[in-house]
Amino acid sequence: DAKTTQPPSMDCAEGRAANLPCNHSTISGNEYVYWYRQIHSQGPQYIIHGLKNNETNEMASLIITEDRKSSTLILPHATLRDTAVYYCIVRDRYNFNKFYFGSGTKLNVKP
Amino acid sequence: DGGITQSPKYLFRKEGQNVTLSCEQNLNHDAMYWYRQDPGQGLRLIYYSQIVNDFQKGDIAEGYSVSREKKESFPLTVTSAQKNPTAFYLCASRGTSGRAIEQFFGPGTRLTVL
Repeated sequence: DAKTTQPPSMDCAEGRAANLPCNHSTISGNEYVYWYRQIHSQGPQYIIHGLKNNETNEMASLIITEDRKSSTLILPHATLRDTAVYYCIVRDRYNFNKFYFGSGTKLNVKP
Repeated sequence: DGGITQSPKYLFRKEGQNVTLSCEQNLNHDAMYWYRQDPGQGLRLIYYSQIVNDFQKGDIAEGYSVSREKKESFPLTVTSAQKNPTAFYLCASRGTSGRAIEQFFGPGTRLTVL
């Protein structure tokens, strides 16, 4: 599976949009991009996923570049409860059992 | 409420003892997973099971064993052969019908070997 690269940490002001980047330059055509987040000492929580089109749900938006080599997770109005580690994961379209979690980005939402 | 339970939340054991971590789900999911997480690191896959009575090794299976005798249960045994067992252990499950594409995680068990 393709490797992902994320900045180790980011800060965001409460109420502002948080834009979390992810680089997956070796992604193949069969691989989805997933985002999970993990609040301290809890299990990871699914946020969103996509293949090549931009996606939006009640939690976030996912913007995938046209060449699919990078993506951005957008939390439109960050709150203090969004402080967590955010993982960008690339998963093979046909293999549901291999999710490779890197070190993620620690998002600090500040008042 | 449907979900995944792991117990206990904190577990302490002496070095050289085997210890079994519990994972139960009432989501009627076929697939279940065990991950290990070390401080400041991502998750690493230990074992997974796609169906009852079947399981596969993940990336770091050495020193661990599992069983899947019931659909709702997937216990993980950390054996004395695991050289560095102190870690945060996470169990997850996934449905295998329709568009079941996400893994649901339990709250985790923090194991400390003294």
